[in-house]
Amino acid sequence: SYELTQPPSLSVSPGQTARISCSGDALPNQYAYWYQQKPGQAPVLIIYKDTERPSGIPGRFSGSSSGTIVTLTISGVQAEDAADYFCQSANSGGPYVVFGGGTKLTVL
Amino acid sequence: EVQLLESGGGLVQPGGSLRLSCAASGFTFSTYAMSWVRQAPGKGLGWVSGLSASGGNTYYADSVKGRFTISRDNSKNMLYLQMNSLRAEDTAVYYCVKGGDYFDYWGQGTLVTVSS
Repeated sequence: SYELTQPPSLSVSPGQTARISCSGDALPNQYAYWYQQKPGQAPVLIIYKDTERPSGIPGRFSGSSSGTIVTLTISGVQAEDAADYFCQSANSGGPYVVFGGGTKLTVL
Repeated sequence: EVQLLESGGGLVQPGGSLRLSCAASGFTFSTYAMSWVRQAPGKGLGWVSGLSASGGNTYYADSVKGRFTISRDNSKNMLYLQMNSLRAEDTAVYYCVKGGDYFDYWGQGTLVTVSS
């Protein structure tokens, strides 16, 4: 079955840049999406179609894609960015939607 | 403002049934695909099922195929998930989400607990 692989955790200091990777064989042919989830809250879409940012999402969040790896970059990390981050893609061959296992970002 | 409000969660015994509902507002419901995503306690996100705007096309994760049925009533702006033959591993928060390939709005979720 199709899988997206993320590192389980990442720690950065405030003001540094955090880069969270997500790898999957179908990513060269499918868009990737990123969600942020804070404790006790529903996930929020922060990047869509690899690089696009929904309105209201701060500019320090950006996405990039290269082959089988997509990357979420948070520039100038703030304490409020501590959260779980999930990548997601769709595979027309089934299963139709798949999520990565999530990366817990800790801001030291 | 887009709002998605789930209801219908609760405690159910293994083998039992439950019907989740989602009341949508703030957008033209009948023109968007809708889906259900779940999250087991302390775990990651898992896609459950999706439904086209008209309701004519349905999609299911292998883990729920044959047990869950997704449906919608566009006249009432409602999305449903009928869950039968529930198992302990179905225990999760179930989110109603707007979209089919990706999800730009999420409800707050409803907790389903399958336990004897």
